[in-house]
Amino acid sequence: DTAVSQTPKYLVTQMGNDKSIKCEQNLGHDTMYWYKQDSKKFLKIMFSYNNKELIINETVPNRFSPKSPDKAHLNLHINSLELGDSAVYFCASSQVSEGSGNTIYFGEGSWLTVV
Amino acid sequence: GQNIDQPTEMTATEGAIVQINCTYQTSGFNGLFWYQQHAGEAPTFLSYNVLDGLEEKGRFSSFLSRSKGYSYLLLKELQMKDSASYLCAVRGKAAGNKLTFGGGTRVLVKP
Repeated sequence: DTAVSQTPKYLVTQMGNDKSIKCEQNLGHDTMYWYKQDSKKFLKIMFSYNNKELIINETVPNRFSPKSPDKAHLNLHINSLELGDSAVYFCASSQVSEGSGNTIYFGEGSWLTVV
Repeated sequence: GQNIDQPTEMTATEGAIVQINCTYQTSGFNGLFWYQQHAGEAPTFLSYNVLDGLEEKGRFSSFLSRSKGYSYLLLKELQMKDSASYLCAVRGKAAGNKLTFGGGTRVLVKP
């Protein structure tokens, strides 16, 4: 069973459209993340949720809106897509607790291409 | 803020050893991670250091010196399948378990 799963894996869409990427983890973790990896391969955090509560919100356009219906799911909705939004979006999760490594586990990524 | 530097690319021969260096500056330090990422795939966890010293895991070892803001990942007995990008990431002390990643080092293993 895949620990962190996200759909769709590939998404090609036109500028101006609205799209969503879904993510689910079955690891029992309490924290979930969205990371963006651009064409230069830099992996940057966008959002972090702990038990459905927004913890980290980096400087991301408000066209990006995360939603966490429960601690096992974190979806990403993007409005009015722009060419610069083309990237790979990784969902991830971890268990944040004292004394542990709090290792982050990544999903397989969603390749978004805006044309 | 955090700043992480690692070489862009390295080439090594199958069976050899390669050392990937990572230097970082951070306002608060709460652990350093190494991830492996094959082309077109997700990053996968390799190692975690929070105290100074060497952590060994099979063919892979990771070293940390907090006073120097320095880590390295050592890959021994290189195999062709080790060709991948290796990402150094630092966790700060702010809430949320935020990891800041370096740009990654692409390692090419040649026969």
